[in-house]
Amino acid sequence: EAGVVQSPRYKIIEKKQPVAFWCNPISGHNTLYWYLQNLGQGPELLIRYENEEAVDDSQLPKDRFSAERLKGVDSTLKIQPAELGDSAVYLCASSLGRRSRTIQPYNEQFFGPGTRLTVL
Amino acid sequence: GENVEQHPSTLSVQEGDSAVIKCTYSDSASNYFPWYKQELGKGPQLIIDIRSNVGEKKDQRIAVTLNKTAKHFSLHITETQPEDSAVYFCAASEGTYKYIFGTGTRLKVLA
Repeated sequence: EAGVVQSPRYKIIEKKQPVAFWCNPISGHNTLYWYLQNLGQGPELLIRYENEEAVDDSQLPKDRFSAERLKGVDSTLKIQPAELGDSAVYLCASSLGRRSRTIQPYNEQFFGPGTRLTVL
Repeated sequence: GENVEQHPSTLSVQEGDSAVIKCTYSDSASNYFPWYKQELGKGPQLIIDIRSNVGEKKDQRIAVTLNKTAKHFSLHITETQPEDSAVYFCAASEGTYKYIFGTGTRLKVLA
């Protein structure tokens, strides 16, 4: 079974340019996450989708970051314009999602390889 | 909100020795604690997890212990091998899908 697919793997851009990252989750996974990972740090959640709905975007800097998951499958994260401080690894993850409101959701998250962004 | 502290930040052990990584969390509502291994150029991969109704879990050379009273949990790797060298992250979750990760431990297994 294919894992979470991300592209591109590496991106180098000049500051103030736009950039977009793409993610295809594991087939059948309803929940999709975008994380930011700075060097030497753990991943930090940017946004979480349940199917096509963004249910937690409280940590997404909305002045320059946007995301979409139009058909509830693959997703795109965009930065416009990019700043020097945006240099980091952007990770996508997916999980099965909520199966029942009455039991603990099975929420094991599977990560993609990430996109390493360098802003010059 | 939840805060997860992880120690040590780097750890070097001789091949065959054991390695222990410790994490503490602040939110008593957290009830799920996964551990991830991240190799260079790859995304984090789940290696073991524990839920709050269990005190210890083992999977071959890897074990995790949880002390809910003290709010800390630990990863134990026995008989370490060079391929265990990687960065390890702990995380805590209250079951709402939101993981709070520790800052990572770079483990080096010396041959």
